[in-house]
Amino acid sequence: AQSVTQLGSHVSVSEGALVLLRCNYSSSVPPYLFWYVQYPNQGLQLLLKYTTGATLVKGINGFEAEFKKSETSFHLTKPSAHMSDAAEYFCAVTRRSGYALNFGKGTSLLVTP
Amino acid sequence: DTAVSQTPKYLVTQMGNDKSIKCEQNLGHDTMYWYKQDSKKFLKIMFSYNNKELIINETVPNRFSPKSPDKAHLNLHINSLELGDSAVYFCASSPGESRNYNEQFFGPGTRLTVL
Repeated sequence: AQSVTQLGSHVSVSEGALVLLRCNYSSSVPPYLFWYVQYPNQGLQLLLKYTTGATLVKGINGFEAEFKKSETSFHLTKPSAHMSDAAEYFCAVTRRSGYALNFGKGTSLLVTP
Repeated sequence: DTAVSQTPKYLVTQMGNDKSIKCEQNLGHDTMYWYKQDSKKFLKIMFSYNNKELIINETVPNRFSPKSPDKAHLNLHINSLELGDSAVYFCASSPGESRNYNEQFFGPGTRLTVL
């Protein structure tokens, strides 16, 4: 079975500061990993994904994540937070294409002026 | 053009009623899903469906049933609604097993409130 754990249900950063949202996964097979963002009262938007190949993945809005197999991690980072980054962020895992995603419990990012 | 659409966006109803939520995707995808997001924002798969197989999360009550009239639609029918069914329901689609990636595209969600 595949699962993810997101450390920290709430993260607060100052505008311009580094954003680091943590995600650790558990999978018996090579995982497909994703980060989604959800703005208030909206659906989920894909930020980035790791399937195969390069372990450092760049996504939209300046976000990136690095797949570290040895640490079973897929942490999301952004060098400089913007007010518009305030949202709920979800890490998700699946084992193969066409299968459902298993989501973490989400991390609410607050950006303060 | 909206890739994955859901109707209605909001649904308020009484306990015991039967209701349906519609989902349509215009991406030509093979697989569609229904997820439930509870009040704590936890997302959980309810069903995944392609033209060959329906996979049901075993924790989903049998009052919930997906209905797919064609490959582009996966509707969610709920019988005898209960207070605990209040949540946001998301439809999603993906290319399916034939592709090398598994990006899922989500609809805007339907907020169901059971009174």
